[in-house]
Amino acid sequence: DAGVTQSPTHLIKTRGQQVTLRCSPKSGHDTVSWYQQALGQGPQFIFQYYEEEERQRGNFPDRFSGHQFPNYSSELNVNALLLGDSALYLCASSPDTQETQYFGPGTRLLVL
Amino acid sequence: AQTVTQSQPEMSVQEAETVTLSCTYDTSESNYYLFWYKQPPSRQMILVIRQEAYKQQNATENRFSVNFQKAAKSFSLKISDSQLGDTAMYFCAFINFNNAGNMLTFGGGTRLMVKP
Repeated sequence: DAGVTQSPTHLIKTRGQQVTLRCSPKSGHDTVSWYQQALGQGPQFIFQYYEEEERQRGNFPDRFSGHQFPNYSSELNVNALLLGDSALYLCASSPDTQETQYFGPGTRLLVL
Repeated sequence: AQTVTQSQPEMSVQEAETVTLSCTYDTSESNYYLFWYKQPPSRQMILVIRQEAYKQQNATENRFSVNFQKAAKSFSLKISDSQLGDTAMYFCAFINFNNAGNMLTFGGGTRLMVKP
């Protein structure tokens, strides 16, 4: 049983560019959440998707957007990248919205 | 707003000994869960243990146990018989279930070093 998978593992972009990160949830899970973890800090909630809709959103600007597909996989898009967007981006999945979240290995984004 | 505070940025323990990591949280809700996650250098966030707020009994998972003090809003993690593989960042996290979703709120983490 595959766990949560994320791609790519690492990514280097320059300021002003756009990036798309991908996540496949654990089998049987239909809810996907995204978190940003800056170096040396705890993860911060970006948003959560359920039934292909954004269900809840954290305190992140509109430059951060997402999508969930019918197979429950999800994408995180960040436009107009800033140096401060450099972080580890974690995806977590859970069955419905009322259960423990299980995390993927993350995507390390570096913005130069 | 919910907050989670971990007051110990770094801790160390000798292999085979016991260590306790502290966590306090603040919420006005009554229906919530608390978690400890472990993040080794490989950076994969791994669930260690979970505690439902409505349960009085403290959760245990092999060498890991918690001391949940609901009135004090305290949730500490005890690791017994520490192993070198326990070296990692440990995050305390809180989830409040409501109709809007179930976002996790994390503390700042405690870096644990297990020494041989």
